[in-house]
Amino acid sequence: RKEVEQDPGPFNVPEGATVAFNCTYSNSASQSFFWYRQDCRKEPKLLMSVYSSGNEDGRFTAQLNRASQYISLLIRDSKLSDSATYLCVVNRVSSNTGKLIFGQGTTLQVKP
Amino acid sequence: DGGITQSPKYLFRKEGQNVTLSCEQNLNHDAMYWYRQDPGQGLRLIYYSQIVNDFQKGDIAEGYSVSREKKESFPLTVTSAQKNPTAFYLCASSPGRKLYGYTFGSGTRLTVV
Repeated sequence: RKEVEQDPGPFNVPEGATVAFNCTYSNSASQSFFWYRQDCRKEPKLLMSVYSSGNEDGRFTAQLNRASQYISLLIRDSKLSDSATYLCVVNRVSSNTGKLIFGQGTTLQVKP
Repeated sequence: DGGITQSPKYLFRKEGQNVTLSCEQNLNHDAMYWYRQDPGQGLRLIYYSQIVNDFQKGDIAEGYSVSREKKESFPLTVTSAQKNPTAFYLCASSPGRKLYGYTFGSGTRLTVV
């Protein structure tokens, strides 16, 4: 089983739609969770951290479900500029060195 | 502005050559990382370093080497032993042991010709 698993998509949605991505992780002891955004042929950029109580940043909401070991990202009122690949990221628990494990990514295409 | 700089942006390697990818950061971060990304795949960890003069192998270290002589610099050498080096290479840094996210450089695209 992969340490971090995501549905690669693509998710094709119209502008204004609400879309949600899920990600599952294998190690129940993981402590740090992030969503990164990667545009085509560019480096990943931190979108938001994911906190136990859930957190929101504008149109983006991240949730963590420790019992089921999954993380979600909800995007409301999708914009064309939201088209990108979204990477689910979890810390590797085998050490406290801050190493992160990246999921394969979920591709979002927002259409006019 | 603080950041992390990778060079060159594009690199072409002939069969049997060693090439070195540069990574420099002025964020005063202790930890630095090298990842490889292949089309349609996630990032895979090659090497990482928590402090100067110390580094550890990641998941796919074979055919690669690194050094960490300065806090700011973490160059990656792709040796001739790496049989499939064509990929997008990403360098990242973080404050270190605390569980922060990474800051990435803009990457180097390496192609074997």
